[in-house]
Amino acid sequence: GAVVSQHPSWVICKSGTSVKIECRSLDFQATTMFWYRQFPKQSLMLMATSNEGSKATYEQGVEKDKFLINHASLTLSTLTVTSAHPEDSSFYICTTRTGGREQYFGPGTRLTVT
Amino acid sequence: QKEVEQNSGPLSVPEGAIASLNCTYSDRGSQSFFWYRQYSGKSPELIMSIYSNGDKEDGRFTAQLNKASQYVSLLIRDSQPSDSATYLCAVSVNTGFQKLVFGTGTRLLVSP
Repeated sequence: GAVVSQHPSWVICKSGTSVKIECRSLDFQATTMFWYRQFPKQSLMLMATSNEGSKATYEQGVEKDKFLINHASLTLSTLTVTSAHPEDSSFYICTTRTGGREQYFGPGTRLTVT
Repeated sequence: QKEVEQNSGPLSVPEGAIASLNCTYSDRGSQSFFWYRQYSGKSPELIMSIYSNGDKEDGRFTAQLNKASQYVSLLIRDSQPSDSATYLCAVSVNTGFQKLVFGTGTRLLVSP
C-alpha cells in the first residue's frame, strides 16, 4: 500500500487562530487526496477532495472559507483551519489513492482548540 | 436513511473463534467495498477490499459481497486479542472521484 504522512500528529491552538496540517504521499505521486474528519466515537466524514493544481471539491455543509485546502504538488496537500473554534477540535485524516480503488490513510492529526 | 449501516457492537468473541462483522449499504451503484480496522486513537488501516460478488480470502480474513442484497461482511477466523478494534465498512459512491462513505463501525472485543 501507499505511504502517507501527516504533520503535525497533534496540535493545540487557541480559539481564533489558524492551523495548517500537511499531508504527504511519500512513495508515489497523488493527483487526488481526500480529507476526513472524525469526532470522538463517530465515523469518518469526508470534508473535501483535493486535486493537484485545481480547487478542492468540498462536501455539503463544509465551509470552504474556513477549511482551506491547497494541493500544490503531486506529493503535498495542506488543510488550513482558519479562525479555529473549540467545535473544530477533531481528528483530521488525509487519504490518497494510488490509481487503484483503495484509499490509504495518513496517521492523522489530532487538533485541540482551547 | 444512512448510506452505510453497521451494528455498533461491541461484538465479543473468545480467542480462537470466528468473528462475523456485517454491513449494509443503500447505493445500488456502488462498485467497491472496503474493510478498515481502526485501533483507538489511531488512523484506519485497510485490511480488505472486494469488488465482485462472492468471497475473497486473505489470511485469516474473508470478505463476502452480495450486491443483490446490498450486503458485505467480514469474517475473522482464529480471532486474536490483537484483533480487538473498531472495524469500519466503506463503500464507494458512484462519483467521478470515487469517494468513500463509511459506516459508524463495529467494535470487536476478543477475550483471551
